[in-house]
Amino acid sequence: DVKVTQSSRYLVKRTGEKVFLECVQDMDHENMFWYRQDPGLGLRLIYFSYDVKMKEKGDIPEGYSVSREKKERFSLILESASTNQTSMYLCASTLLYATEQFFGPGTRLTVL
Amino acid sequence: EDQVTQSPEALRLQEGESSSLNCSYTVSGLRGLFWYRQDPGKGPEFLFTLYSAGEEKEKERLKATLTKKESFLHITAPKPEDSATYLCAVHGGSYIPTFGRGTSLIVHP
Repeated sequence: DVKVTQSSRYLVKRTGEKVFLECVQDMDHENMFWYRQDPGLGLRLIYFSYDVKMKEKGDIPEGYSVSREKKERFSLILESASTNQTSMYLCASTLLYATEQFFGPGTRLTVL
Repeated sequence: EDQVTQSPEALRLQEGESSSLNCSYTVSGLRGLFWYRQDPGKGPEFLFTLYSAGEEKEKERLKATLTKKESFLHITAPKPEDSATYLCAVHGGSYIPTFGRGTSLIVHP
């Protein structure tokens, strides 16, 4: 079974802090994604990566950056956390283009 | 631009009361339509992939069907443990899937 893990289930940070969210997948998947999910807005793509060191902006990249130094690990960075970044963050991976996504358990981030 | 609309937004059923969830889509060059189940506070879990009109897939009480414009997730004799949000997504010509906003299903005992 594919396993996607995220570094924290719950996180509370203060406005202005730099926040790191880590995602690790154990099945050698090529593609990895970061989403945020908010009530009434559904899943929104922040960034994705189709190869090591490669990244592409999604629909809402402002205020975020990413890093993929190793194939199995994809990190999301909030450079200076703001209250409007309070959300559920979901990481996903896929083996190939246009195949099913495997999601991690999510990180519920609260920015005070 | 690919688009996915799911209906209804919320559905309440009694245990044993069969129903269907709808996923309407527009996409240029469908590569796959995906159904996921999401429990509260958890990440979505993959259920089915459908590739072409007329295709059907089944798993326990769930059956997914596909036409050229929409997909249905039929739930037969649901149980309370089927309560979840069901998400639909389509893959067209880009690297990125397009997700619908989901249908929240509650099955009362």
